[in-house]
Amino acid sequence: QTVVTQEPSFSVSPGGTVTLTCGLSSGSVSTSYYPSWYQQTPGQAPRTLIYNTNTRSSGVPDRFSGSILGNKAALAITGAQADDESDYYCALYMGSGISVFGGGTKLTVL
Amino acid sequence: EVQLVESGGGLVQPGGSLRLSCAASGFTFSSYWMIWVRQAPGKGLEWVANIKQDGSEIYCVDSVKGRFTISRDNAKNSLYLQMNSLRAEDTAVYYCARHYSYSVDVWGLGTTVTVSS
Repeated sequence: QTVVTQEPSFSVSPGGTVTLTCGLSSGSVSTSYYPSWYQQTPGQAPRTLIYNTNTRSSGVPDRFSGSILGNKAALAITGAQADDESDYYCALYMGSGISVFGGGTKLTVL
Repeated sequence: EVQLVESGGGLVQPGGSLRLSCAASGFTFSSYWMIWVRQAPGKGLEWVANIKQDGSEIYCVDSVKGRFTISRDNAKNSLYLQMNSLRAEDTAVYYCARHYSYSVDVWGLGTTVTVSS
């Protein structure tokens, strides 16, 4: 069973840049997996940031960008702000209509 | 405004059943695949099931196959999840979501299901 991997935690300084990654336990991530990214604060529903590798969802600031870096999908956040402190989940399309989420990255801004 | 509102969650005993509903508004419901995603307490997100615009294609993750059934009523702009033979590990917040380009683009606020005796 293929597992979608993410860093459990990451920290960034206010105003700084951070890149979160999304990989596979076996194999490389490509655009064919249609990677997407979601932000969730405690007690709230998730919010879609990025879909189809690098397309920003409506209303998402351009501080958030998606790409493929090496063999992983990546989410870059530039000019980090206090309210970027959240859990971030990626998802990869595995075929047969189903996508699989990663375990999430807890981002701390300090 | 595009909106998804879930209902039907609650406390149920192991082995019991529950039917979740999701009321959609603000968009042409019949034009989109729809999804159920769940999140167990303190855990990550899990894609549960999705259904094509006309209901002709349905996909479920292995952990719920044979127990959960996703369905929709386009005339009522509604999505459903019938959950049978519930287990403690099905305890979660269940989100109704709109599927777009192999991802989720709109999320509901969620409804909580607790399976416990």
